[in-house]
Amino acid sequence: DIVMTQSPDSLAVSLGETITINCKSSQSVLYSSDNKNYLAWYQQKPGQPPKLLIHWASTRESGVPDRFSGSGSGTDFILTISSLQAEDVAVYFCQQYDSPPHTFGQGTRLEIK
Amino acid sequence: QLLQSGAEVKKPGESLRISCKGSGYIFPNYWIAWVRQMPGKGLEWMGIIYAGDSDTIYSPSFEGQVTISVDKSINTAYLQWTNLKASDTGIYYCARHPNGLDVWGQGTTVTVSS
Repeated sequence: DIVMTQSPDSLAVSLGETITINCKSSQSVLYSSDNKNYLAWYQQKPGQPPKLLIHWASTRESGVPDRFSGSGSGTDFILTISSLQAEDVAVYFCQQYDSPPHTFGQGTRLEIK
Repeated sequence: QLLQSGAEVKKPGESLRISCKGSGYIFPNYWIAWVRQMPGKGLEWMGIIYAGDSDTIYSPSFEGQVTISVDKSINTAYLQWTNLKASDTGIYYCARHPNGLDVWGQGTTVTVSS
């Protein structure tokens, strides 16, 4: 299985700041045939199912604010949230879908100071 | 959307099948994944089924513990247990998989307690 490791486990920041969440896979999720990284990011708010924010490591889903951006390739990925807003309080997960089982990171809890 | 069946309370050793009904898209054209979230914990990918031909892939962690199936004639996927354990308590989500999981059900809470 591919192991996904996120850092940090939690962070508390002030409104308006920019944050980054890291996600590292134990093996590359870059598929050479199409040069795509099979990596997704999700946001989960309390009492709700997760919401897909980004797929192919950097492609934002329709309707997701452009404050959310994804980057990285191979084994190292970053979710960046700029101009943090109160509604961004949530747990964020990365997931690889290159090779079954499509494992998730352990999650990063984002809180407002 | 994906609409899941309601919450269940079961005893250890009992059987259970929960459902996930798709609407608003061509159901047989997509994979449906099942994801577990134990109380206060993260997301665990259990397995995935292609609704068009029932091709199924299980996570090694769940293979033999659950059965994933689909009835494409009624646009519904299922997750089934034959011998529930207290450790099966959690929220179970179904989700559609094109590239990542883009549409999620609301979740089915399963509580297993004697």
